[in-house]
Amino acid sequence: QKEVEQNSGPLSVPEGAIASLNCTYSDRVSQSFFWYRQYSGKSPELIMSIYSNGDKEDGRFTAQLNKASQYVSLLIRDSQPSDSATYLCAAGRAAGNKLTFGGGTRVLVKP
Amino acid sequence: DVKVTQSSRYLVKRTGEKVFLECVQDMDHENMFWYRQDPGLGLRLIYFSYDVKMKEKGDIPEGYSVSREKKERFSLILESASTNQTSMYLCASGTQGGGTEAFFGQGTRLTVV
Repeated sequence: QKEVEQNSGPLSVPEGAIASLNCTYSDRVSQSFFWYRQYSGKSPELIMSIYSNGDKEDGRFTAQLNKASQYVSLLIRDSQPSDSATYLCAAGRAAGNKLTFGGGTRVLVKP
Repeated sequence: DVKVTQSSRYLVKRTGEKVFLECVQDMDHENMFWYRQDPGLGLRLIYFSYDVKMKEKGDIPEGYSVSREKKERFSLILESASTNQTSMYLCASGTQGGGTEAFFGQGTRLTVV
């Protein structure tokens, strides 16, 4: 079992709709969680971080964390074709310096 | 803005060559990382460093070594390149402490022929 799991997709959403991405993690010691966006041929770019249970909103993005269920999600509202990318979920421990990444979910936003 | 710069965007090397990939960050970050990314396998950690001259093996260190002589610079060395090391190599840096975010360089696409 992978430590951080994501559905590989592709997740196809119409322009203007909400894209919902899910991520589960197995390491109960994980304390911090991140969402990265990666365009084809480019490097990952940090878009959201979340550390506490609940929701965190930043523009069109909302991250949700449920530590009891070991579940992290990312909502993209008013999806645009420019949101078409692979989204990587990452988890980090309170102690230690490295992040563990999921395999990524490919999102396609269709005009 | 955090800037992580990798020395090459594309690199083609021959089997058996010694290959150096360089990474420089300008944010005084303690942590630096080297990942490789392959289709279907995701991001895999090769090595990371939490201080000058300090390093720890990641998930796939075989065939690689690293060097960190200065805080801002982290080098990945392929001792004898092989075709199965053809990949996208990503350097990242971050502050020390529990599970802090990592910032990535632009990546080096290495092809070993």
